[in-house]
Amino acid sequence: GAVVSQHPSRVICKSGTSVKIECRSLDFQATTMFWYRQFPKQSLMLMATSNEGSKATYEQGVEKDKFLINHASLTLSTLTVTSAHPEDSSFYICSARVAGELFFGEGSRLTVL
Amino acid sequence: GNSVTQMEGPVTLSEEAFLTINCTYTATGYPSLFWYVQYPGEGLQLLLKATKADDKGSNKGFEATYRKETTSFHLEKGSVQVSDSAVYFCALSFAGGTSYGKLTFGQGTILTVHP
Repeated sequence: GAVVSQHPSRVICKSGTSVKIECRSLDFQATTMFWYRQFPKQSLMLMATSNEGSKATYEQGVEKDKFLINHASLTLSTLTVTSAHPEDSSFYICSARVAGELFFGEGSRLTVL
Repeated sequence: GNSVTQMEGPVTLSEEAFLTINCTYTATGYPSLFWYVQYPGEGLQLLLKATKADDKGSNKGFEATYRKETTSFHLEKGSVQVSDSAVYFCALSFAGGTSYGKLTFGQGTILTVHP
């Protein structure tokens, strides 16, 4: 089946730095990808919809200047957490939509010290 | 807004026990309902789905029935195995257009099955 890969799977950074997380579709082209965030013991919350070649659509309450999403190619979407703070520590998961099905990445755990 | 509520875990069972994980939802309209599973170190995988009332989704011995009258989609398996140990997520989405793929998830239920 289709595979979505995220990198890095774990990242630790200092407060104030920026971190980029990649989401790749390995064997298919994805015009639309989704970014979710999961807090401990809570459900996944949709952050934004990433569209190839256009601006991302952010969900209400998500700071677009804080969470920069770029979908420059049909196989890659990136999420950059800018000026990260400890409250940004979370598990970030991407998914891609193809042929009516959704495929999820393994997730990236961000820890901000 | 839309929401999904799952029974709190963790759930711990012995092998061959019967499993039920409750899921109820609140939504305007008639969403599609899903169960996703996340095995340790892996991404979420679709386990089963149902797109309309009274549909039953089934896969790998798991099943769930879309109950409109009780707004529920409980997950069941008659005999669990150690390999079923994972986190299970109930979710809903409205099909069609740009809404498809925007999932509203429950909080997840950790299942541990002991030999």
